Amino acid sequence: DAGVIQSPRHEVTEMGQEVTLRCKPISGHDYLFWYRQTMMRGLELLIYFNNNVPIDDSGMPEDRFSAKMPNASFSTLKIQPSEPRDSAVYFCASSLEGTGTDTQYFGPGTRLTVL
Amino acid sequence: GEDVEQSLFLSVREGDSSVINCTYTDSSSTYLYWYKQEPGAGLQLLTYIFSNMDMKQDQRLTVLLNKKDKHLSLRIADTQTGDSAIYFCAESIGSGGYQKVTFGTGTKLQVIP
Repeated sequence: DAGVIQSPRHEVTEMGQEVTLRCKPISGHDYLFWYRQTMMRGLELLIYFNNNVPIDDSGMPEDRFSAKMPNASFSTLKIQPSEPRDSAVYFCASSLEGTGTDTQYFGPGTRLTVL
Repeated sequence: GEDVEQSLFLSVREGDSSVINCTYTDSSSTYLYWYKQEPGAGLQLLTYIFSNMDMKQDQRLTVLLNKKDKHLSLRIADTQTGDSAIYFCAESIGSGGYQKVTFGTGTKLQVIP
């Protein structure tokens, strides 16, 4: 398996524009996570899905952020409108199950810069 | 609530041992983890320890858990330049089904040749 795939790897956009980040989890994994990493706040869990259903979106910063998982092999994280403070590295991760011994496999991340 | 804290930076010489420390606040943690993040990459699980264990060794890695003090450490023996990365401590909480994982802020390990 190719692992978790994220696109794009880098995104530079202007304030006010819509940004869509994409993720393809590892095939057969039931859980998908979206994280945001910044120097100031470290790694934050934004939302996670189980079997394509959003379970906990309490980490989503505000209504400008939305995430979808239309099928088991694809998820998107959308920011509309984007702001400079959204600049961060966004990681997608997936795991087979949600139990303690289960590893979360991370994608390479999307580095977002909002000017 | 959950809070996982780590020092931000550690510098060691190649060949020395590295010890990265972590403290957590939730006594109901079931598993504790160490992840490694290399530059430009996502996090990768290094090792984990169940909360009823005191120590786990895996080749050059030794994990020590002091549950009373809620303190976790990762010792890397014979540190190599390839060990330079950011190391994240994490804890999972929950029983049965999904266990929420909370990550620390990460410790950047610099290995000096």
